[in-house]
Amino acid sequence: DTAVSQTPKYLVTQMGNDKSIKCEQNLGHDTMYWYKQDSKKFLKIMFSYNNKELIINETVPNRFSPKSPDKAHLNLHINSLELGDSAVYFCASSHSNQPQHFGDGTRLSIL
Amino acid sequence: AQSVTQLDSQVPVFEEAPVELRCNYSSSVSVYLFWYVQYPNQGLQLLLKYLSGSTLVESINGFEAEFNKSQTSFHLRKPSVHISDTAEYFCAVSDPGSARQLTFGSGTQLTVLP
Repeated sequence: DTAVSQTPKYLVTQMGNDKSIKCEQNLGHDTMYWYKQDSKKFLKIMFSYNNKELIINETVPNRFSPKSPDKAHLNLHINSLELGDSAVYFCASSHSNQPQHFGDGTRLSIL
Repeated sequence: AQSVTQLDSQVPVFEEAPVELRCNYSSSVSVYLFWYVQYPNQGLQLLLKYLSGSTLVESINGFEAEFNKSQTSFHLRKPSVHISDTAEYFCAVSDPGSARQLTFGSGTQLTVLP
C-alpha cells in the first residue's frame, strides 16, 4: 500500500531515556514533516525536510533531532526524555506545495 | 504569523441532521485552506482544500466548504450527517508561497448521535 508509515505505533518509556521514531513514505514525495499533537489535540509542526535538507525548524528543544537519510525517510530522535514530551507524534509528507499526507501517529508516553 | 480559530471545540448533532463547523483565519494575503479529519487512533486525512478558483469546494463524502475572503472564513458543512462522520475535524491555513508551513486550528470534535 502507498502510505506514510511510522514505527512504533506506541512507545512507553521512562524519563531520561533516549528513543527514536521512524517514518517512511513510498509516495515519491520530496518533503517530509514531523508534528506534535498534545493532550488537547493541538497540532504543531516541529520540523520539515525537503530533499533531505531542513527547511522548517520551529522552536523545539535541541533534545529533538530529525535525521533524513534519504527523501523517503525522516526519523526523529529524542534525547533525555521528559514528562512534557508525552504526546502523539505525526509524520507527514507532500510533493512540493501539494496537501500533506499523514501517518497514523506514534503515541509516546513518558513514565 | 497566521492563526486559525475553530470556535466550537465540540459539536454534538443527531444523525441525518445538518452540521456546520466554523473556521476563521487571520491573514490579509492570499491563503490556501484545508480541512482535515482525524478518526480515533488514526492520522489526519485530507477532507477538502481551497487553493484557488471556485470558492465552494466539495469532498467525495458529502462535505463542502466555502471560502469567504471578506469574512476570512472557511466553514465546513454537511446537509445530513452519518454516525460514521464522528471524528475530530481540523481547519488549516498556509501561505501559498510556503504551503509546506501549515497552521492548524484547535480542532472540533463532531459527535453524531443516533
